[in-house]
Amino acid sequence: QKEVEQNSGPLSVPEGAIASLNCTYSDRGSQSFFWYRQYSGKSPELIMFIYSNGDKEDGRFTAQLNKASQYVSLLIRDSQPSDSATYLCAVNPGNQFYFGTGTSLTVIP
Amino acid sequence: GAVVSQHPSWVICKSGTSVKIECRSLDFQATTMFWYRQFPKQSLMLMATSNEGSKATYEQGVEKDKFLINHASLTLSTLTVTSAHPEDSSFYICSARDIRLAKNIQYFGAGTRLSVL
Repeated sequence: QKEVEQNSGPLSVPEGAIASLNCTYSDRGSQSFFWYRQYSGKSPELIMFIYSNGDKEDGRFTAQLNKASQYVSLLIRDSQPSDSATYLCAVNPGNQFYFGTGTSLTVIP
Repeated sequence: GAVVSQHPSWVICKSGTSVKIECRSLDFQATTMFWYRQFPKQSLMLMATSNEGSKATYEQGVEKDKFLINHASLTLSTLTVTSAHPEDSSFYICSARDIRLAKNIQYFGAGTRLSVL
């Protein structure tokens, strides 16, 4: 079992819709959770981090964490074509970082 | 967010030569930096974890004598690809861990695209 699992997609949503990206992790001791966005040919950039159960909102982005169920999700409201990218989930148990393989999102104008 | 600078952004070299890539944390001290490799349309692959003042920890299957890592200061880690060959052509990305405020966040450099002829 991989440390972090993501649906590779591709996920396609129409412009203006809500995009929902999901991630599950295996290490119950994980304390920190991150979402990165990676455009094609570029390096990952941090979008959000979350440490506590519940929701964390930042602009059009909402991260949701459920430690009991070991999943973390990212919602993108009012999706824009510029949101088209690969989204990486990362989990940080202790000194290790584990990345998922990423979900490819395409926002269709 | 914190800034991580990676240089060069693009390098073309002849087979058999060595290439050095630098990774700097500009506004924070990073005791730990990471080196990744990414092939087109594939996911990030962790190559090694670089700890300031000690030897790097390499992932299984990564040749430590081919990919030399030096983390001599709290703001600089270097990756040297020795005797590069065409199969080493890839996108190399470094990251640095920012532990300020106990947030333990990993920030990425812009990456280095290596093409070995």
